[in-house]
Amino acid sequence: DQQVKQNSPSLSVQEGRISILNCDYTNSMFDYFLWYKKYPAEGPTFLISISSIKDKNEDGRFTVFLNKSAKHLSLHIVPSQPGDSAVYFCAASEYTNAGKSTFGDGTTLTVKP
Amino acid sequence: DTGVSQNPRHKITKRGQNVTFRCDPISEHNRLYWYRQTLGQGPEFLTYFQNEAQLEKSRLLSDRFSAERPKGSFSTLEIQRTEQGDSAMYLCASSPGGGVLYNEQFFGPGTRLTVL
Repeated sequence: DQQVKQNSPSLSVQEGRISILNCDYTNSMFDYFLWYKKYPAEGPTFLISISSIKDKNEDGRFTVFLNKSAKHLSLHIVPSQPGDSAVYFCAASEYTNAGKSTFGDGTTLTVKP
Repeated sequence: DTGVSQNPRHKITKRGQNVTFRCDPISEHNRLYWYRQTLGQGPEFLTYFQNEAQLEKSRLLSDRFSAERPKGSFSTLEIQRTEQGDSAMYLCASSPGGGVLYNEQFFGPGTRLTVL
């Protein structure tokens, strides 16, 4: 039973346009969500997070939106740059076990110049 | 370099052999995590430590797997009697922990295990 799902394995966008990466979760106990970016031959690196008490968090070009009723979150990248090309993982944690993160399978973003 | 380091980066072994991986977290990080990642999937949680205490083990961590974090510093992950299904990338991560409930995790580059 996969509790965090990223249904789009890949996404391709033009440089300068918006990239929208989606993530769905099934565990209603999740209350903290994170996005990580991964380049080949490197470990994932933290990008942005959001607590369930918020519905939006913004950091520069990156914005994460959380819709708790739909159990859905999305990452918006505006404007997209070629250097953003990477695999993006959505992850979730719950209050009762904050040390454990559950990851989705990732979305490969390609930003074309 | 003050990031998370993992050694070795690559390990090729024959089925049935034992292997041990090492992870050195960012200094002063209290929490240390182990994940396994196979091609096309996200990291799967294996276990995590708060200082030297192992607080949770995934059911993925069979009896052949053991992890330690002596003195709350570096950690080792040992796989005994390796099987071909153990072939994967093993990722280590650390986070500050302490009084903060949620932390982003800082990942190392991983150890790629190939079992022949």
